[in-house]
Amino acid sequence: NAGVTQTPKFRILKIGQSMTLQCTQDMNHNYMYWYRQDPGMGLKLIYYSVGAGITDKGEVPNGYNVSRSTTEDFPLRLELAAPSQTSVYFCASSYNRGSSYNEQFFGPGTRLTVL
Amino acid sequence: AQSVTQLGSHVSVSEGALVLLRCNYSSSVPPYLFWYVQYPNQGLQLLLKYTTGATLVKGINGFEAEFKKSETSFHLTKPSAHMSDAAEYFCAVSERYGNKLVFGAGTILRVKS
Repeated sequence: NAGVTQTPKFRILKIGQSMTLQCTQDMNHNYMYWYRQDPGMGLKLIYYSVGAGITDKGEVPNGYNVSRSTTEDFPLRLELAAPSQTSVYFCASSYNRGSSYNEQFFGPGTRLTVL
Repeated sequence: AQSVTQLGSHVSVSEGALVLLRCNYSSSVPPYLFWYVQYPNQGLQLLLKYTTGATLVKGINGFEAEFKKSETSFHLTKPSAHMSDAAEYFCAVSERYGNKLVFGAGTILRVKS
């Protein structure tokens, strides 16, 4: 199992450009998540998905969009990149059923700089 | 709403000394609690978790944490620090029937030789 994979590892964008961060998991997890990590702020949830075709906003969704057409993939789209979106982005996945605990498995991250 | 407070953004210990990283949470009901570790330029890795049962939880690499409901705390400890423990540590909380983690701001652990 590769686990959770993310591409690219690094990216520099100019203000106003757009891009898609890719995330794939091979663990047949139903839940997937996108976080951003800023120094001294911990991780903040951007969007999450409970299954193919279902997505919902997290704590900091503005400026981002997601889709979930398959169980495995959960891409994050940045439209009109802004310097405030400079961050490290982590994708995660978990298997959730009822009251079972929800250990999340994380990808290696994408470091994005917007100039 | 749930929240997590990690006391001390940076903690420095000598090799062989006790490691104590503090975490307090707020939640209206007993939550699930987690500690994650992040090594430089890597993703997060689960150290240990508390869901139900024994309140003293043992994790990987000799770490353990104790859930204290009366103090709403879940402090992480390790009896003897090793150089390889240098990393950033995150405490996180989740609702029992929820699916979203709320993370603390993180504590960077430095181990001095």
